[in-house]
Amino acid sequence: DIQMTQSPASLSASLGETVSIECLASEDIYNNLAWYQQKPGKSPQFLIYYASSLQDGVPSRFSGSGSGTQYSLKINSLESEDAATYFCLQDSEYPWTFGGGTKLELK
Amino acid sequence: QVQLQQSGAELVKPGSSVKISCKASGYTFTSYDMHWIKQQPGNGLEWIGWIYPGNGNTKYNQKFNGKATLTADKSSSTAYMQLSSLTSEDSAVYFCARGTGPYVGYFDYWGQGVMVTVSS
Repeated sequence: DIQMTQSPASLSASLGETVSIECLASEDIYNNLAWYQQKPGKSPQFLIYYASSLQDGVPSRFSGSGSGTQYSLKINSLESEDAATYFCLQDSEYPWTFGGGTKLELK
Repeated sequence: QVQLQQSGAELVKPGSSVKISCKASGYTFTSYDMHWIKQQPGNGLEWIGWIYPGNGNTKYNQKFNGKATLTADKSSSTAYMQLSSLTSEDSAVYFCARGTGPYVGYFDYWGQGVMVTVSS
């Protein structure tokens, strides 16, 4: 199975700051990566697909990038509603696998 | 609007089985894959598999072969997942989620999740 290593496991940032979350795949996943946001007690929400394409309705302060084995999610101008846990998911090869998650706290 | 309404929380005994449901509305049920995802306390997510209600085709994470069985009832637009031979490791929240297209891990709508607790 492809292992997805997410970092950092948690981070704290202030309103208006920019943060990046990384996902490292154990092998090349050819941009077959999605990002999800999950708020406490809620279901995950779909943010980005194919590494860098923004899902409809997702604010443009979210962006994704990367290639090969290394991918990142960037959130510009943090807002209070961005406090959540973020997960990456590779769908390059079965079984699809998630990263361990990054918990973003707003100061 | 698209909605996925899952059944209620379950408290089940070790060794038993449980069947949870996911009723879809607001779209053509038979045209989209339905995925199932497991989330254990501490956040970790695992993809269990998908079913295409249009023809009943399924794909499982091998880890869940023999554990999870996915079915769909077109007449009621409801997807089901049965979990068998339950142990404490099966205690988790289980989500259904609609796939945006074939063979991609893009889940645009999610159910609210079902908490399954396995305890004697």
